[in-house]
Amino acid sequence: GESVGLHLPTLSVQEGDNSIINCAYSNSASDYFIWYKQESGKGPQFIIDIRSNMDKRQGQRVTVLLNKTVKHLSLQIAATQPGDSAVYFCAVRGNSGGYQKVTFGIGTKLQVIP
Amino acid sequence: NAGVTQTPKFQVLKTGQSMTLQCAQDMNHNSMYWYRQDPGMGLRLIYYSASEGTTDKGEVPNGYNVSRLNKREFSLRLESAAPSQTSVYFCASSEAGRSPLHFGNGTRLTVT
Repeated sequence: GESVGLHLPTLSVQEGDNSIINCAYSNSASDYFIWYKQESGKGPQFIIDIRSNMDKRQGQRVTVLLNKTVKHLSLQIAATQPGDSAVYFCAVRGNSGGYQKVTFGIGTKLQVIP
Repeated sequence: NAGVTQTPKFQVLKTGQSMTLQCAQDMNHNSMYWYRQDPGMGLRLIYYSASEGTTDKGEVPNGYNVSRLNKREFSLRLESAAPSQTSVYFCASSEAGRSPLHFGNGTRLTVT
């Protein structure tokens, strides 16, 4: 089945620096990719998504990069702020279909050092 | 516009007790989902409802039942709680399969 993982369980970044959080997936038929942010005691919050026909998508201070060749997804956060401290996880949909086909990563904890 | 609302926020049950977790969304989404989140594991789908009037099993349905009461509400029932069901439960909704999920803030359930 699908496996989705993150390279680093915890990432510490100085305030103002850029953060990069990575995610690897195994199913080459995956067609939809999402990044979520989860603060302590809260539900996951949508950050940005990308479809398999794109390599890059930008939002406000965030960029998602998709490399289908090596089955790798990354989230870049520019000028990291203390409010960015949270757990970030990716979600990958295996093929056409609804969320019953989606696999969630375990998450990376981002710690912002003031 | 509250998004997805879950009740209760916290619950402690004894083994064998039953309870229902409530979820309501005000975004007019067709699809609703129940997930559980456990340490060291990604979110796992328990049940989902692609549209009003339909429900289907997800990855970990054993020990749970669901009811899609109407388009807004989707409840999760534990008929006989077990310690293995200690977890954080999230309800979510979406417009369609390739749109992001909107999550509630969770119910933290402990079964002793």
